[in-house]
Amino acid sequence: DAKTTQPNSMESNEEEPVHLPCNHSTISGTDYIHWYRQLPSQGPEYVIHGLTSNVNNRMASLAIAEDRKSSTLILHRATLRDAAVYYCILRDDFGNEKLTFGTGTRLTIIP
Amino acid sequence: GAVVSQHPSWVICKSGTSVKIECRSLDFQATTMFWYRQFPKQSLMLMATSNEGSKATYEQGVEKDKFLINHASLTLSTLTVTSAHPEDSSFYICSASGRSKSYNSPLHFGNGTRLTVT
Repeated sequence: DAKTTQPNSMESNEEEPVHLPCNHSTISGTDYIHWYRQLPSQGPEYVIHGLTSNVNNRMASLAIAEDRKSSTLILHRATLRDAAVYYCILRDDFGNEKLTFGTGTRLTIIP
Repeated sequence: GAVVSQHPSWVICKSGTSVKIECRSLDFQATTMFWYRQFPKQSLMLMATSNEGSKATYEQGVEKDKFLINHASLTLSTLTVTSAHPEDSSFYICSASGRSKSYNSPLHFGNGTRLTVT
């Protein structure tokens, strides 16, 4: 599986935007970029995913670099409830559904 | 949205006993379920993949005779930790995928089961 690299931790002030980076320099042409987050003592929660174009949903936005070797998850206005570990995961489209989790980024929101 | 229910949410058992964890898809048929384990301060590690009606596929290093997986129906998979020992204490999480095996389908996760073996 192609690997992703994320900062171990980040901090952000409440009500400010948060940009969570992810590097995936060995991404293949068929890999989708998925983001999940895990709140304390809970299972992971799907956030967003994309292939080449930027994506928006009610939770976040995903900005994908033109060469697809990096991406950024954007939380437009962080709240205390966004404090979690965020995982950037590559997933191919050849029916291999499993998700391989890296270490993720632990996001702390400062009130 | 799709919901995956895991039961129990926590369990304490004595060393040498067996513990069964259930994972149910509540509003969709899960053809594939995944079982993960997470130790404190670590990431999720995939243990096994189970497909309804067939034997589970275990990841390297996971003992299939110790971690018994049954996926007898499209809405239920169970993980049984047999002869549990303190080192099996962990957070066990299941996830499920529906019939649509599209790359656009996110995985749905249960809320996990915290197992403590004394």
